[in-house]
Amino acid sequence: KAGVTQTPRYLIKTRGQQVTLSCSPISGHRSVSWYQQTPGQGLQFLFEYFSETQRNKGNFPGRFSGRQFSNSRSEMNVSTLELGDSALYLCASSFEGIGELFFGEGSRLTVL
Amino acid sequence: DAKTTQPPSMDCAEGRAANLPCNHSTISGNEYVYWYRQIHSQGPQYIIHGLKNNETNEMASLIITEDRKSSTLILPHATLRDTAVYYCIVRPSNTGKLIFGQGTTLQVKP
Repeated sequence: KAGVTQTPRYLIKTRGQQVTLSCSPISGHRSVSWYQQTPGQGLQFLFEYFSETQRNKGNFPGRFSGRQFSNSRSEMNVSTLELGDSALYLCASSFEGIGELFFGEGSRLTVL
Repeated sequence: DAKTTQPPSMDCAEGRAANLPCNHSTISGNEYVYWYRQIHSQGPQYIIHGLKNNETNEMASLIITEDRKSSTLILPHATLRDTAVYYCIVRPSNTGKLIFGQGTTLQVKP
């Protein structure tokens, strides 16, 4: 079966802009979670969506938001981009948050 | 959330068993021990998980102490492709929230 698909894989933005990243989970998976990875902070949990509802949230400012659609696809948005938002953004899906999480290859964001 | 402690780095000779330790002394009764690895900026890959009993799959074995305060991931015959950062994580069973530590960088050498 197809894995977790994230788009775009790479993107470059400038400070102050906003960005939207997309994640298509594995078919049948209803839980989607997002992570940010930077060299300094490592892998950090952003938020988790389950059945279109945010179920968990990490310690990130309100500029980071997300949503989930009825087909379980998820998007995350970062507004008013800062240089420190440059990171690899990873999406993971699981069957209702149970068992293993399957990660996508990530979207690498560079903010100039 | 329970936190884990892992050595920052380890070396292993190719073909030998790699034993990666993890301390999780504050683990709660409903939290599982999960192991993931990440190979150079790819998405983390699931390896194995367990609650109380030792577990084995085609990739590795997981040994959890009786008091559940520590565990060891065993790669029975390490290959160069096993060079990666290995993360030990504790999590409740019904959440997609994982708290990653700094992990252990395993270098498998020929």
